[in-house]
Amino acid sequence: ILNVEQSPQSLHVQEGDSTNFTCSFPSSNFYALHWYRWETAKSPEALFVMTLNGDEKKKGRISATLNTKEGYSYLYIKGSQPEDSATYLCAFYNQGGKLIFGQGTELSVKP
Amino acid sequence: DAGITQSPRYKITETGRQVTLMCHQTWSHSYMFWYRQDLGHGLRLIYYSAAADITDKGEVPDGYVVSRSKTENFPLTLESATRSQTSVYFCASKPGLAPPGELFFGEGSRLTVL
Repeated sequence: ILNVEQSPQSLHVQEGDSTNFTCSFPSSNFYALHWYRWETAKSPEALFVMTLNGDEKKKGRISATLNTKEGYSYLYIKGSQPEDSATYLCAFYNQGGKLIFGQGTELSVKP
Repeated sequence: DAGITQSPRYKITETGRQVTLMCHQTWSHSYMFWYRQDLGHGLRLIYYSAAADITDKGEVPDGYVVSRSKTENFPLTLESATRSQTSVYFCASKPGLAPPGELFFGEGSRLTVL
């Protein structure tokens, strides 16, 4: 059974705060790690696809890092805005093509 | 327009009935997935398919059946629906195993089993 864990489960911050979440995954049979942003009543949309140990990706105020040897990835949001409120999902993609999601981190940013 | 579509978007059924959720994609993506959304669990993989006529179980396959006779379609059938199968179901697709690109999701099908 593949175990993908995210922490914290939920986070409430003020506008302007910076925040980060963690995704831990099996370090064996690794192929890729995905991050998705999921707004209420919508479908998840991809933020990052990461494949190499030490990868760092950035999109605007959001960035992510990857450590495949120890099995974790961090997602950072700098200067959170109310429109960043969403659930952030990570997904572990193994070499057999199976894509398993963590339970998500629900972020709420108050103005 | 090209994309991935699910039908029906909303369905109410009764315990014991058979229900089929349809998923259709126009990109000719090799891989297709069915997930269910449950509170506290995020998205859980039910079944996935690497190509036509190739399917495999995910994390929670019990009570579900899939088929993939054509690349573009990946229906999910609940043979005898139970209340625990009340959920929102998402279909997703991606081009292939390599490169390890993102999933593209449908809009979801909300199923209520009474």
